[in-house]
Amino acid sequence: DAKTTQPTSMDCAEGRAANLPCNHSTISGNEYVYWYRQIHSQGPQYIIHGLKNNETNEMASLIITEDRKSSTLILPHATLRDTAVYYCIVRVDRGGNTDKLIFGTGTRLQVFP
Amino acid sequence: ETGVTQTPRHLVMGMTNKKSLKCEQHLGHNAMYWYKQSAKKPLELMFVYNFKEQTENNSVPSRFSPECPNSSHLFLHLHTLQPEDSALYLCASSQDRAGPVDTQYFGPGTRLTVL
Repeated sequence: DAKTTQPTSMDCAEGRAANLPCNHSTISGNEYVYWYRQIHSQGPQYIIHGLKNNETNEMASLIITEDRKSSTLILPHATLRDTAVYYCIVRVDRGGNTDKLIFGTGTRLQVFP
Repeated sequence: ETGVTQTPRHLVMGMTNKKSLKCEQHLGHNAMYWYKQSAKKPLELMFVYNFKEQTENNSVPSRFSPECPNSSHLFLHLHTLQPEDSALYLCASSQDRAGPVDTQYFGPGTRLTVL
């Protein structure tokens, strides 16, 4: 199963872009990169996912390198409410009952005023 | 009510008690999950149900007993728990685990304390 590596913590000033990196050097061709976040003592919240192309939605942008060995989640204008733990997950897709999300320890993003 | 709901939000129980956690999803999904999140540890997948059938038990002790009467409801029955079982228990649902892209949506969790 592909493993991800993320920095333990990051800081970002309110209103600035937050760029959260993730390394997944052993990713396979059929594995997606997912991002979730978890605000303190709440359930994780889905943010975005991608396979090869860059993706954007109302919450964030996902930039995946051409070799797919790393990606960056971008929150374009961070707010205090974006303070959370951000998880980068490679979804092990076996097309059946054994596929699952494996959460690591994530990056704790602190947005400061 | 929309999304994934969990009740109760907080639960304190003794080691000899029997209690149940409830999860309900209003998203029309077919798969439901129980996760455990202990303090300062990653989320651990416990059980998976797909179309009401249990498809995964991640070596969970028998003092945790899941039940899925239909695709919208999931229970976790608890009995004879230990203090180390104190954690945040999270429920999630997704459309269909057989698909290549299967986004999971989480409930707010039940904070369980075992005395």
